[in-house]
Amino acid sequence: DTEVTQTPKHLVMGMTNKKSLKCEQHMGHRAMYWYKQKAKKPPELMFVYSYEKLSINESVPSRFSPECPNSSLLNLHLHALQPEDSALYLCASSRGQGDTEAFFGQGTRLTVV
Amino acid sequence: QKEVEQNSGPLSVPEGAIASLNCTYSDRGSQSFFWYRQYSGKSPELIMSIYSNGDKEDGRFTAQLNKASQYVSLLIRDSQPSDSATYLCAVMGFQKLVFGTGTRLLVSP
Repeated sequence: DTEVTQTPKHLVMGMTNKKSLKCEQHMGHRAMYWYKQKAKKPPELMFVYSYEKLSINESVPSRFSPECPNSSLLNLHLHALQPEDSALYLCASSRGQGDTEAFFGQGTRLTVV
Repeated sequence: QKEVEQNSGPLSVPEGAIASLNCTYSDRGSQSFFWYRQYSGKSPELIMSIYSNGDKEDGRFTAQLNKASQYVSLLIRDSQPSDSATYLCAVMGFQKLVFGTGTRLLVSP
């Protein structure tokens, strides 16, 4: 089973809203990732968690706040986003950071209005 | 110089032909290399991984790695219209996965 589940699939939010994206995996993977993908561009790394600790923050604005409550769950809290933050947000996991294959969830299509 | 480079395409091949997708990378210390397929509006799907020099075959797909030339390729034999997608080359470097810009493949019936 190589399933990573993301919810919701689609999200429309206003610039003053607070919302959260959720990601779950039950493969026993210890590294989890958030990527952002704009149309016709490759995925762009935002955050990496390794063993539930934040390992990499790619200078992401503070209006994006990641959280890893346990080894199976990864959240991305959103607050005061801008229309240019509209994108496909992808969660991925791998057995270890920098180790073997990374598997992606189906993504959350976010639109900021 | 970009870390991972791919020709954006589109690469157009007729059904049944071999599609050849290429990727170069800049970090000589990279040890892990991956090919992802991404259909429009969908998430990337891992189709091949390769870690050592040479060829690795899986069904209609063959990945080739040449670390001396810092070059990775993906061959798709007997291409089908359903193979039409963007193929992303990804390289594991500095504890994170870095993607190329992707090559768009179009397979015509």
